[in-house]
Amino acid sequence: GAVVSQHPSRVICKSGTSVKIECRSLDFQATTMFWYRQFPKKSLMLMATSNEGSKATYEQGVEKDKFLINHASLTLSTLTVTSAHPEDSSFYICSASAATGANVLTFGAGSRLTVL
Amino acid sequence: GENVEQHPSTLSVQEGDSAVIKCTYSDSASNYFPWYKQELGKGPQLIIDIRSNVGEKKDQRIAVTLNKTAKHFSLHITETQPEDSAVYFCAASVGVKGNQFYFGTGTSLTVIP
Repeated sequence: GAVVSQHPSRVICKSGTSVKIECRSLDFQATTMFWYRQFPKKSLMLMATSNEGSKATYEQGVEKDKFLINHASLTLSTLTVTSAHPEDSSFYICSASAATGANVLTFGAGSRLTVL
Repeated sequence: GENVEQHPSTLSVQEGDSAVIKCTYSDSASNYFPWYKQELGKGPQLIIDIRSNVGEKKDQRIAVTLNKTAKHFSLHITETQPEDSAVYFCAASVGVKGNQFYFGTGTSLTVIP
């Protein structure tokens, strides 16, 4: 079945630094990838939709300059949290749907970001 | 846009009993309804899905039912086991290659040994 690899699974950084999270579709091509943020015991909050070769579409209230998304190929999307602050600490999850076929969504394992 | 509501938010059952989680949706154009299981510290995993041309789908101890008229769908887990304990999310999506998924708020299921 479809596999989405997300890396790193955990990252700790100092306030003011930038962190990059990668999301890879391992056995399928993904024209669209999604980035979510999840707070403890809460549902998935869609941050942005990443389309291969074009700019990401951000949800209302999500800062584009803070959460940079790049989808340079059909198998890789990256989320960079720039100038991270403690309030950016969260669980970030990506998902991908295949370029062909039905719209089945596969999730990565998530990345736990802690900003000190 | 689509609005997905999920109930209950928490559910505790005795091992061996059944668990039922219900979701309602608002957009009659939604035609794909997946269910995801999320264990602590992990990403959601697809456990079963159903499309609007089907009323019921079963996979071993898990089943999903869909009532298009009433716009609701349910997850049924029979003979629950402790390893079924997790958070379950329902979702609704529109279109064959719909890029927009709308998630429920999640149900925390605890199976008591």
